[in-house]
Amino acid sequence: DGGITQSPKYLFRKEGQNVTLSCEQNLNHDAMYWYRQDPGQGLRLIYYSQIVNDFQKGDIAEGYSVSREKKESFPLTVTSAQKNPTAFYLCASSAEFWGAVSNQPQHFGDGTRLSIL
Amino acid sequence: QKEVEQNSGPLSVPEGAIASLNCTYSDRGSQSFFWYRQYSGKSPELIMFIYSNGDKEDGRFTAQLNKASQYVSLLIRDSQPSDSATYLCAVNAAGGSQGNLIFGKGTKLSVKP
Repeated sequence: DGGITQSPKYLFRKEGQNVTLSCEQNLNHDAMYWYRQDPGQGLRLIYYSQIVNDFQKGDIAEGYSVSREKKESFPLTVTSAQKNPTAFYLCASSAEFWGAVSNQPQHFGDGTRLSIL
Repeated sequence: QKEVEQNSGPLSVPEGAIASLNCTYSDRGSQSFFWYRQYSGKSPELIMFIYSNGDKEDGRFTAQLNKASQYVSLLIRDSQPSDSATYLCAVNAAGGSQGNLIFGKGTKLSVKP
């Protein structure tokens, strides 16, 4: 079955520690995204990538880093510089956006819940 | 600042009724509009998308778009308790980051048996 796999489902971070969240897709999608969701809030974009070896900052990139070495993988590292990392992290992907008319829908993985120890 | 506004609810409707969820957006250049359903503790699930003015129907769901009024809505006919969830409206960001979506904070729907 095609889909987006996020792991782990739950993650705990110690003070001063960097942690990495995994996101893998087998949909052959070009674009991948990372969002953060806080309780009662909408999704906020952290980073996105439209092609391998290229990525762009979203609205709240500070304290996070990403890489896109393979089309199917887009891991997110939450660094120690992110002082309030507790949130629900969602990875999404979409087929390539070609023109100025319409976006392809984004599809989401099951998410990773990150908490501070 | 590009914004997507939704009434946070909760919107409570009896089983079998029509639920009407509304969304307004600030960017006139937006071209693509999406509705996601998110059950508590789960990730968002795409249920409808619409690109042109007018109505688009899919089963019990109808999306309505009015670009002149910058308004998009979702109607759920014959509402079921299983429709109880938070519904997120998302709109594409026009301009240089057209691939990106701006999400509203969601409307919580409760369908009472």
